Amino acid sequence: NAGVTQTPKFRILKIGQSMTLQCTQDMNHNYMYWYRQDPGMGLKLIYYSVGAGITDKGEVPNGYNVSRSTTEDFPLRLELAAPSQTSVYFCASSSFSRTGLRNVGYTFGSGTRLTVV
Amino acid sequence: QKEVEQNSGPLSVPEGAIASLNCTYSDRGSQSFFWYRQYSGKSPELIMSIYSNGDKEDGRFTAQLNKASQYVSLLIRDSQPSDSATYLCAVSSGSARQLTFGSGTQLTVLP
Repeated sequence: NAGVTQTPKFRILKIGQSMTLQCTQDMNHNYMYWYRQDPGMGLKLIYYSVGAGITDKGEVPNGYNVSRSTTEDFPLRLELAAPSQTSVYFCASSSFSRTGLRNVGYTFGSGTRLTVV
Repeated sequence: QKEVEQNSGPLSVPEGAIASLNCTYSDRGSQSFFWYRQYSGKSPELIMSIYSNGDKEDGRFTAQLNKASQYVSLLIRDSQPSDSATYLCAVSSGSARQLTFGSGTQLTVLP
């Protein structure tokens, strides 16, 4: 059982380049999330999805785009990379209680460490 | 803007002592509360969840929740050097039950 898989683990981008961070989960979770974590800081929500075809902005969406064509995959796209996007990116999926009312916690991927130079 | 605040740390305790970590949150509609442990260079790992007022114990960990005071805490008894990590408080709210995280408290357990 792989859980949440992120690729790549590390990447260096030049200013203005684009890239896609991949995230896939095999737990059949409907809810998926992208966070970024800057040094010494907590995690900030970029985008989230409540199911295939449905996405919404989080706290810090500028400079990013997402899509969700399947339950399993939730890629994050960076267009025109900027130094401010240097960060560690975490993808997560969430399971819920049987009533669907309670988030019972995230499963995180191992993260992508991105440097923009 | 939903906010989650943690005591800034860093926090150092001797081996075998009790470590106390605190967290306050701003959204009264929050439903679920979590503590994650994050080792340097690793992803966060869920260690405790709590949903109702009171205490919840799991081994050496006890989470405490007071919704009236909008306060969550984590106690680690008999602290071990392997407990040295950053502890993140997280609160669930919103339509997607998304988590809002605090900035973390770095704990060091001294041998």
